[in-house]
Amino acid sequence: DAGITQSPRHKVTETGTPVTLRCHQTENHRYMYWYRQDPGHGLRLIHYSYGVKDTDKGEVSDGYSVSRSKTEDFLLTLESATSSQTSVYFCAISALQETQYFGPGTRLLVL
Amino acid sequence: EDQVTQSPEALRLQEGESSSLNCSYTVSGLRGLFWYRQDPGKGPEFLFTLYSAGEEKEKERLKATLTKKESFLHITAPKPEDSATYLCAVQAYVGNQFYFGTGTSLTVIP
Repeated sequence: DAGITQSPRHKVTETGTPVTLRCHQTENHRYMYWYRQDPGHGLRLIHYSYGVKDTDKGEVSDGYSVSRSKTEDFLLTLESATSSQTSVYFCAISALQETQYFGPGTRLLVL
Repeated sequence: EDQVTQSPEALRLQEGESSSLNCSYTVSGLRGLFWYRQDPGKGPEFLFTLYSAGEEKEKERLKATLTKKESFLHITAPKPEDSATYLCAVQAYVGNQFYFGTGTSLTVIP
């Protein structure tokens, strides 16, 4: 998985609770991305980062925030989880804002 | 609006039966087209990047081709281990965002 880890790999939480997912890379790539994958939809971009402390919104950013304080770590936070945020979340990295390499994913269930 | 459509949604092949998967796209300036393989419960695995019409890339039993409107992933003499979902994505020059299709689920029967 191109030196990408995600934690936790599985999480069950309750509506209204905050949740933070972590993506860690060992490739020193500049660009990092968070996607969600749902049946009937392609991978959809939530947020991305183009450097430490530099982030921007993607297609489905409402209800999510991100932070990147180090090159190797990109955090995705659900401030108050809702059932519509039940999904599989993938982190991806890219050196030159082209080919993206994906992590193993986090399965999140919001009850 | 930039978008990607993959067909068929699902494909069942006998081992050794060659076929093609289609990825049709509309994008305002194609920067790149990407193919990924995804196994159940795992993240997408990069296969190919194509940049311009007429370009072809090969890897084992897979060959990807690109025209101005679509890309094909040709699978020659598939084996059961080729069973997976194949995803196509395009990257536009404007905004540099990726747009993914919903994938083709391939099953190869021994």
